[in-house]
Amino acid sequence: AQKITQTQPGMFVQEKEAVTLDCTYDTSDPSYGLFWYKQPSSGEMIFLIYQGSYDQQNATEGRYSLNFQKARKSANLVISASQLGDSAMYFCAMREEYNFNKFYFGSGTKLNVKP
Amino acid sequence: ETGVTQTPRHLVMGMTNKKSLKCEQHLGHNAMYWYKQSAKKPLELMFVYSLEERVENNSVPSRFSPECPNSSHLFLHLHTLQPEDSALYLCASSQGAELGNEQFFGPGTRLTVL
Repeated sequence: AQKITQTQPGMFVQEKEAVTLDCTYDTSDPSYGLFWYKQPSSGEMIFLIYQGSYDQQNATEGRYSLNFQKARKSANLVISASQLGDSAMYFCAMREEYNFNKFYFGSGTKLNVKP
Repeated sequence: ETGVTQTPRHLVMGMTNKKSLKCEQHLGHNAMYWYKQSAKKPLELMFVYSLEERVENNSVPSRFSPECPNSSHLFLHLHTLQPEDSALYLCASSQGAELGNEQFFGPGTRLTVL
């Protein structure tokens, strides 16, 4: 089974609007971490935000927030007030405590911000 | 230099060539990773080194040979590659002690095998 599933290959959003990128995950480890990365066309992966499985609050970093629903095993990324520079690929990733050295990545969502 | 650097940024090679990709991290991390990113495929983990020991090898063909001489440097030696090996090769590093320690990525090497 896929560890990380991102079901939206591509998304469009109007500049200044909010957008939600979906991510579901599969693990039986009670301790894990969830990450979101941004990959602009230049290729470099940029870390955005982290959520630990035991964190009580949803993570926030500036315009990025993570909608963590543990029972549903979902960790959606919310980008508020989209900017043209947000156009990029976005990857959800997971790391499990029992297999600490591995990061599992989803297939990504291509976000296009329209002016 | 700061962060994670990779050289070369672009590489074109024939199937009979031997070449090496280099990755260097200036972050004091103790784990380093090689990933392959092909068009329309998820990021594929190839190798993981933790404290200079290889701890993951994801069924990668032997024509890819990693080397980690110290905690700051990681190489990927390439020989007799196939056209399907053309991809973006990303190096990353992380500090392994905490679950929440994210990976820092280099800019990647765009490899084309003719």
